[in-house]
Amino acid sequence: DGGITQSPKYLFRKEGQNVTLSCEQNLNHDAMYWYRQDPGQGLRLIYYSQIVNDFQKGDIAEGYSVSREKKESFPLTVTSAQKNPTAFYLCASSTTGITSYGYTFGSGTRLTVV
Amino acid sequence: KQEVTQIPAALSVPEGENLVLNCSFTDSAIYNLQWFRQDPGKGLTSLLLIQSSQREQTSGRLNASLDKSSGRSTLYIAASQPGDSATYLCAVNSGGYQKVTFGTGTKLQVIP
Repeated sequence: DGGITQSPKYLFRKEGQNVTLSCEQNLNHDAMYWYRQDPGQGLRLIYYSQIVNDFQKGDIAEGYSVSREKKESFPLTVTSAQKNPTAFYLCASSTTGITSYGYTFGSGTRLTVV
Repeated sequence: KQEVTQIPAALSVPEGENLVLNCSFTDSAIYNLQWFRQDPGKGLTSLLLIQSSQREQTSGRLNASLDKSSGRSTLYIAASQPGDSATYLCAVNSGGYQKVTFGTGTKLQVIP
C-alpha cells in the first residue's frame, strides 16, 4: 500500500543537540511538506519541496533545515537554534498538477526536549 | 491572506445523533477543500476532498458540502458512533499545491 512513513514515532532531544526526523513516501508525489502542530495552534508550515534538490521556507523555518536528495525522502533536522522544539511534527505529500487530490499525511513524530 | 475558522472548538453529542461540523474561510477563490480526522497522537487521515467545481462529496456516513460564495463548508456525520470521536480539521487550498491553510479543528466526543 502506498503511504508516508515517519520515524521515529517518539524522539527525545537534549539541549544543544541536533536531531533528524525521517519522512519517506511511496506515492510518487512530487511535493512534500513538514508541519509543526502545537496544542491550540493548528498546523504551521515549516518547509516544503516541489522537486528534488529544491525546497522553500514556510512560515516558521527558523531553527530547522531540510534536504531533498531523492523524490521519496524529505528529512527534517531540528537544530540547536530552535529554542522551543517540543511539538508534534507531521510530514505530508501531494501532487502538484492543476487538479489537486489533496494532502496525504504520515503518522507523526513527537519530539520532546529533555 | 486566507483564514480558516472552525467553530465550535469542541462538541459533545450522544451516540446516534446526526451532527454538523462547520468550516469558514475568508477568501472564496479556492481550488479545493479537504476534511481530515485526527485521533490523539496520530497523523491526519483524509476523509473527503471537494474540488471548487463541486458542491458536495459523500463517503459512507459522511457528507461534505461546499458553498464558496458564502465561504463555508460543512461536514455532516449521520448516526454518530463513539468511534467517530476525534478532532476534525478542514484545509483550504487557495491556489497552488503549497497554498493550503488549515483550521484549528473541532474536537468531537460521541458519548455511548
